[in-house]
Amino acid sequence: EPEVTQTPSHQVTQMGQEVILRCVPISNHLYFYWYRQILGQKVEFLVSFYNNEISEKSEIFDDQFSVERPDGSNFTLKIRSTKLEDSAMYFCASSVSGSSGNTIYFGEGSWLTVV
Amino acid sequence: AQSVTQLDSHVSVSEGTPVLLRCNYSSSYSPSLFWYVQHPNKGLQLLLKYTSAATLVKGINGFEAEFKKSETSFHLTKPSAHMSDAAEYFCVVSGPTGGGNKLTFGTGTQLKVEL
Repeated sequence: EPEVTQTPSHQVTQMGQEVILRCVPISNHLYFYWYRQILGQKVEFLVSFYNNEISEKSEIFDDQFSVERPDGSNFTLKIRSTKLEDSAMYFCASSVSGSSGNTIYFGEGSWLTVV
Repeated sequence: AQSVTQLDSHVSVSEGTPVLLRCNYSSSYSPSLFWYVQHPNKGLQLLLKYTSAATLVKGINGFEAEFKKSETSFHLTKPSAHMSDAAEYFCVVSGPTGGGNKLTFGTGTQLKVEL
């Protein structure tokens, strides 16, 4: 069964460093997403991406965050200057369409620890 | 605006007994509702979804949920718990946005299954 894959599974980085989290969405999917889950908190929406541009972003997704689809398969989340509060599990997801009710498939997550 | 409330943060059952995980939703339009499961150190897996068809929805691993509009509820049930059901369960509501399908997660219910 096709799945969303994410790398790395775990990354430790120093505060202020740049981090890139990588994702390979399911191949025929057109919508891509990043969500995050801070330890002990809810899973939160960060951003959705369609047709090579951001379609929606949350208030969490400020200027230090960016997303990119550098080629036909990868979808990346970059955090420019990491802060301690960026420590979280980051989930990449994808879906065939953007309509409500369309299933969104998640990867296994990338656990980011900022020290 | 849309939201979900998971009424129990922890539920403990004995193996072989029924499972009930409660969820209430709030949505300004006709919602699509999902249950996702997260096993330890794993990603988010879709259990089932409701998208305005049959109100009783059957999912994987023997789980089902009933959409009750009058009660704004979407409780998850299983007739007989198995040890492998121990995990965190998220009730999720989705709604159309400008350019994608955005999920709003509940706070999660940790299900413990005892022998």
